[in-house]
Amino acid sequence: KQEVTQIPAALSVPEGENLVLNCSFTDSAIYNLQWFRQDPGKGLTSLLLIQSSQREQTSGRLNASLDKSSGRSTLYIAASQPGDSATYLCAVKGHSGANSKLTFGKGITLSVRP
Amino acid sequence: NAGVTQTPKFQVLKTGQSMTLQCAQDMNHEYMSWYRQDPGMGLRLIHYSVGAGITDQGEVPNGYNVSRSTTEDFPLRLLSAAPSQTSVYFCASSLGRHSGNTIYFGEGSWLTVV
Repeated sequence: KQEVTQIPAALSVPEGENLVLNCSFTDSAIYNLQWFRQDPGKGLTSLLLIQSSQREQTSGRLNASLDKSSGRSTLYIAASQPGDSATYLCAVKGHSGANSKLTFGKGITLSVRP
Repeated sequence: NAGVTQTPKFQVLKTGQSMTLQCAQDMNHEYMSWYRQDPGMGLRLIHYSVGAGITDQGEVPNGYNVSRSTTEDFPLRLLSAAPSQTSVYFCASSLGRHSGNTIYFGEGSWLTVV
């Protein structure tokens, strides 16, 4: 059974800092990995999707990397801003059968202090 | 472009009552799913559908029923509400179950069962 872990559960940083959010998963046979952002009282918004054949994806100040062999992904946020404060979740999709569903981590709640 | 629309946003039910959470998407997505999000548990898959007329159980299906009569709509029915079903419910859709496409979430439905 796939398990996705995000540690720490919460993080507080000063504005302007570059930061890395970590995600680890137990089964390396994944189809893709997605990073989501969730604002309080809102749904999830997809930030980046990395296919299993890819190593990284970039969008603006965000860069996500994937290392399947070690079961790890990182979300790098450059020059953090207070508007980046939110909960960040990663989710992995398996290939087929019982493992083809999306398995979510519990998220990292990020607070960027002005 | 409305995306994924969920109604109602908030609902309070008495134990034993039944209700339906509505979900509609206007992106012609084949794959739709329902999740519940609970503190400390992350998001868990309740039911999903790979197309009109096809539904299947997810990780926590007990106490819930779904149908998919059209591509656009995927309602979630609570048959006899229990306090354990107090949660935030999210509907999601994507182009296809095994595609590498982004998954889109609704804004959530907050349900309290007293």
